[in-house]
Amino acid sequence: EVHLADSGGGLVQPGGSLRLSCVASGFNFGDYVMHWVRQAPGKGLEWVASINWNSQTVIYADSVRGRFTVSRDNAKNSLYLQLDSLRPDDTGMYYCGKGFQWLLDHWGQGTLVTVSS
Amino acid sequence: EIVMTQSPATLSVSPGERVTLSCRASQSVGIDLAWYQQKPGQAPRLLIHGSSTRATGIPTRFSGGGSGTEFTLTISSLQSEDFAVYYCQQYNNWPPLTFGGGTKVEIK
Repeated sequence: EVHLADSGGGLVQPGGSLRLSCVASGFNFGDYVMHWVRQAPGKGLEWVASINWNSQTVIYADSVRGRFTVSRDNAKNSLYLQLDSLRPDDTGMYYCGKGFQWLLDHWGQGTLVTVSS
Repeated sequence: EIVMTQSPATLSVSPGERVTLSCRASQSVGIDLAWYQQKPGQAPRLLIHGSSTRATGIPTRFSGGGSGTEFTLTISSLQSEDFAVYYCQQYNNWPPLTFGGGTKVEIK
């Protein structure tokens, strides 16, 4: 059974940093594109970033490019999202997702990021 | 960027009713359209991909259709566990991957 465990969220001041993690199990992690999607409180879904199987292709939403960095360690079945220069509008639940074609066929439970002074 | 527009924003229905949700793309996405269901406090779940293919384990009461710019998700007989928010997503032309704003299906 596919399982994705998101972690690393928390309360951080504007301008601060966080590192989110997603540990995968139940599938061959190194074969798949992985995604990050976020959801502001009470709002819809927003794609954040994607990384292909060998990290050669990394793509970001305009809203986070230059501030967020996605990476992966296939040996550890792990996906990461480094969040720097955080702003209040980055507040929300962050989900990792297993890629199927270019959609998400399995999602983590999410980790909450709150940016506030 | 392809903009996805869902309608209506909220749908009030009774259990057992047939429900049709709409999703429109600002330009053609072929059949590269997915639907997700999200219940309160939970992560989204993939229901439909390729416009009309049910994901593994999804009940047959869920069906998707359409191509190009107009898509629908139909629930043939609404069950209590189907009250949720539904999102469409295009994956034809990206970045960015784009989602619709969601349709909330609530109890009438």
